Amino acid sequence: AQTVTQSQPEMSVQEAETVTLSCTYDTSENNYYLFWYKQPPSRQMILVIRQEAYKQQNATENRFSVNFQKAAKSFSLKISDSQLGDTAMYFCAFMKPKTGNQFYFGTGTSLTVIP
Amino acid sequence: EPEVTQTPSHQVTQMGQEVILRCVPISNHLYFYWYRQILGQKVEFLVSFYNNEISEKSEIFDDQFSVERPDGSNFTLKIRSTKLEDSAMYFCASSPVGRTEAFFGQGTRLTVV
Repeated sequence: AQTVTQSQPEMSVQEAETVTLSCTYDTSENNYYLFWYKQPPSRQMILVIRQEAYKQQNATENRFSVNFQKAAKSFSLKISDSQLGDTAMYFCAFMKPKTGNQFYFGTGTSLTVIP
Repeated sequence: EPEVTQTPSHQVTQMGQEVILRCVPISNHLYFYWYRQILGQKVEFLVSFYNNEISEKSEIFDDQFSVERPDGSNFTLKIRSTKLEDSAMYFCASSPVGRTEAFFGQGTRLTVV
């Protein structure tokens, strides 16, 4: 079975600063995908960034980047130049591609950006 | 930008009653999912649906649950006889063929009293 662990229930960061959210996972699979989803208050989850396990290069999307350590089964999210709109719940998720494409989520990290 | 939409946003029902949660996936998507999140816990997979049939389901998705795509646009989750422990936020999601990410709706908060 796949498990995803987010050990930081809550975090805060000053506006314009950098913050890193942690995620570890456990799997015996070799081919899989990892995701960070953002859920602003009362809004739907939206995809922040995606990483294919077979790619060694860390994914980046503007101010968002990941540190993917496959051997350590670690997938942290770095947010640079934090903005007030980054305040949200962040979920780390694992997906093993097959018919069904089931996602496994962590418990989430609530991030508050302080002005 | 196309979105997954869910109705209602909040549903209160009495224990033992049937409830139907509705979702309109993004129109050209072919994979559909239901997830739930009990307050303070992680988002849990319930079921995935492809080609008009269930492709995968979790242990949570027992005989009390069913899904249906009654027409070309809606995707519903039915809970036949609700229990207090069914109280949760229910998320619908959809994916297009060839893409790995899922697009989520805003959720329906189900409260069983």
